[in-house]
Amino acid sequence: AQSVTQLGSHVSVSEGALVLLRCNYSSSVPPYLFWYVQYPNQGLQLLLKYTTGATLVKGINGFEAEFKKSETSFHLTKPSAHMSDAAEYFCAVSNQAGTALIFGKGTTLSVSS
Amino acid sequence: NAGVTQTPKFQVLKTGQSMTLQCAQDMNHNSMYWYRQDPGMGLRLIYYSASEGTTDKGEVPNGYNVSRLNKREFSLRLESAAPSQTSVYFCASSEALRGSEAFFGQGTRLTVV
Repeated sequence: AQSVTQLGSHVSVSEGALVLLRCNYSSSVPPYLFWYVQYPNQGLQLLLKYTTGATLVKGINGFEAEFKKSETSFHLTKPSAHMSDAAEYFCAVSNQAGTALIFGKGTTLSVSS
Repeated sequence: NAGVTQTPKFQVLKTGQSMTLQCAQDMNHNSMYWYRQDPGMGLRLIYYSASEGTTDKGEVPNGYNVSRLNKREFSLRLESAAPSQTSVYFCASSEALRGSEAFFGQGTRLTVV
């Protein structure tokens, strides 16, 4: 069965520092992987996704993620954090049938000045 | 373009009361979903509808029913609300293709007392 594990429920960084949010997946088929962001009291917004092809995926707001099959990972990074990046981030994988997304438990990113 | 619209945004119910959460999308998507979000649990799939006329159970379907009224609308019904159903409920929609992005509504914050 497909599943996602996000390592670290809370990550704190200083403004301008590297952001690294970790995601490992389990999938019985080639995975389709997603990162979503949720700002307070809002719905989820897609940051980026990996389907096939290039393993380094660029998304909105300067975020990127690299699909590493050997490590079953899809970590999200941003070179320099901004205060506006403070939010909750969710990693997700398509279920086996491709009919729905399975989400991790989320990582809250705090950014301090 | 409204995207995915959920009503109501907030609701307080007494234990045992019933209610229906409404969701409509204007993107001509075939697939629609209901998720619940609880602190530390991420998003968990309640029900989904891969196409008009079909519905399937997700991870946490007990205590809920759904209706895919037409291609645009997908409602979630709580027949007899319980405090354990206190949560934030999100409706989402997507193309019926593996790897398609899911678009989310703004959520319904439900409290059962």
